[in-house]
Amino acid sequence: SQTIHQWPATLVQPVGSPLSLECTVEGTSNPNLYWYRQAAGRGLQLLFYSVGIGQISSEVPQNLSASRPQDRQFILSSKKLLLSDSGFYLCAWSEPTGFLFSPLHFGNGTRLTVT
Amino acid sequence: KQEVTQIPAALSVPEGENLVLNCSFTDSAIYNLQWFRQDPGKGLTSLLLIQSSQREQTSGRLNASLDKSSGRSTLYIAASQPGDSATYLCAVSRDTGFQKLVFGTGTRLLVSP
Repeated sequence: SQTIHQWPATLVQPVGSPLSLECTVEGTSNPNLYWYRQAAGRGLQLLFYSVGIGQISSEVPQNLSASRPQDRQFILSSKKLLLSDSGFYLCAWSEPTGFLFSPLHFGNGTRLTVT
Repeated sequence: KQEVTQIPAALSVPEGENLVLNCSFTDSAIYNLQWFRQDPGKGLTSLLLIQSSQREQTSGRLNASLDKSSGRSTLYIAASQPGDSATYLCAVSRDTGFQKLVFGTGTRLLVSP
């Protein structure tokens, strides 16, 4: 069966510090991968998605970047965090492109607080 | 721009009641709609996925319907239990292949024993 791992679960970082959140998926090949953010009082917003190694699409301009160095590894980064980067970050995967009706499967999330 | 609205924002019911959660979306050109459950501080669990060509999907005590032309979906929960307490989110996908979902802000459900 497929599993998705996301870490750390919680993180407190000062403004201006770097960020690296990691997500790995097991039990599937060539998944589509996604980073979503859930800010306080707001719905989930898609930040990045990837259909393959090194292929990243950004949905909104922001202070964050994403990378996919391996097939089942997805990393969210920032060089200098802003207060507005605080939120609940969720990694997710779905079946490869071509599976039109694949559900989205989420990790347990990382609660990021920028102080 | 697609907007997804969920009503009510919060709902409190006694155990055993049947209940309906509502979701509406402004652009009917969707490929599928998903209902998720989110427990406090946790990630999302996929409950049901309805393809745009389908009218409803069922899983156990859950039944989701889709009226694409009117931009509405409902999630029906039969015989509610305290373990059903969570936030329920609906989301629509506007692309084939990629699940670039647009989410509603959710309905927070509390089922009391």
